Amino acid sequence: GAGVSQTPSNKVTEKGKYVELRCDPISGHTALYWYRQSLGQGPEFLIYFQGTGAADDSGLPNDRFFAVRPEGSVSTLKIQRTERGDSAVYLCASSSGIGETQYFGPGTRLLVL
Amino acid sequence: KQEVTQIPAALSVPEGENLVLNCSFTDSAIYNLQWFRQDPGKGLTSLLLIQSSQREQTSGRLNASLDKSSGRSTLYIAASQPGDSATYLCAIKTDSWGKLQFGAGTQVVVTP
Repeated sequence: GAGVSQTPSNKVTEKGKYVELRCDPISGHTALYWYRQSLGQGPEFLIYFQGTGAADDSGLPNDRFFAVRPEGSVSTLKIQRTERGDSAVYLCASSSGIGETQYFGPGTRLLVL
Repeated sequence: KQEVTQIPAALSVPEGENLVLNCSFTDSAIYNLQWFRQDPGKGLTSLLLIQSSQREQTSGRLNASLDKSSGRSTLYIAASQPGDSATYLCAIKTDSWGKLQFGAGTQVVVTP
């Protein structure tokens, strides 16, 4: 498809487990953003990539969260030792360049039991 | 620290009425302000983007205004339709990299 895709669409895991969330940006988009949206709240910024490097990871809540984008396209958000408070919708967005309009994917709904 | 507030949190109107959604922010040093629509279980769809130098933007039945000095933006939706039912979010671009700071949204229900 032409839009941003995210897999899985839903993920249920147990407290303490490790999860990976994947984002496929729009082809050719160099900038990629991750946001987290808790129930009843707006999305909160987590991390931003320009190409392969994380230009700003100031929104990652703690060192259990890590994201990579090894080839400057697909990105994976990794969460270690999941906690119930990590339950949220994780949104990915991409843009054609720094500061350009962001296009959002449908999100991955993570539930930690 | 920038804070973005949207009031009311929820709104219900009969079909045909005009919708007025409010967004306020505490720091007037913004790059731009964007309004998004979010449908249940789906991602965000951009509706309108207002650059910091602009006062308003229009697209079809939608009109958004921006008053930086007072820290406010308003989204107007004319002649609402049931298909307009969704959550509407405003977001401020806070730096040149494109980081967005969102309000909590206004959930709108348009009843036939």
